[in-house]
Amino acid sequence: EAGVTQSPTHLIKTRGQQVTLRCSPISGHTSVYWYQQALGLGLQFLLWYDEGEERNRGNFPPRFSGRQFPNYSSELNVNALELEDSALYLCASSKVRGERAFFGQGTRLTVV
Amino acid sequence: GESVGLHLPTLSVQEGDNSIINCAYSNSASDYFIWYKQESGKGPQFIIDIRSNMDKRQGQRVTVLLNKTVKHLSLQIAATQPGDSAVYFCAENINTDKLIFGTGTRLQVFP
Repeated sequence: EAGVTQSPTHLIKTRGQQVTLRCSPISGHTSVYWYQQALGLGLQFLLWYDEGEERNRGNFPPRFSGRQFPNYSSELNVNALELEDSALYLCASSKVRGERAFFGQGTRLTVV
Repeated sequence: GESVGLHLPTLSVQEGDNSIINCAYSNSASDYFIWYKQESGKGPQFIIDIRSNMDKRQGQRVTVLLNKTVKHLSLQIAATQPGDSAVYFCAENINTDKLIFGTGTRLQVFP
């Protein structure tokens, strides 16, 4: 069974640009979570999608947004990139909301 | 954002010894907890979970202990191996809305 997959694995963007990160959950999982992990720091909760709906979001500005598609895959969009957005963006999925979340390998975003 | 800690506490253990990693959680209403292991450059890996109606759960070489009275969670790793070297995070489920992660502890295993 394939795990959570994220794309791309790495990317470099310029300040002010926009970026879209993608996540495919484990088959059968309907909940998708996004976390930001700045270098050397813990995981900050960004967004939670379940059954196509945004269920909760963390304390991030509106330029962080996303969506979940009918096949439960998800996108995270970040507009007007800032240098401090440089981080590892992690996606996780679970079959039961809030439980047994399994993570992908992350997308390393560097903003220059 | 909801996160913790700039400086990771570090636990250094000798190969073969047992390791105990501790975590203090924040919300007395949390009813589900997970331990994750994160190796450098990788996403967190699920280790073991526990519900609040239990105080102990065992897996392969790992045991999680939950003390709800003092809001404390611990992960015990038996016969620690070099491959156990990583950062370990606890996470609490608050109102089934989200998983909030603790600071993380770096485990270093030396021969």
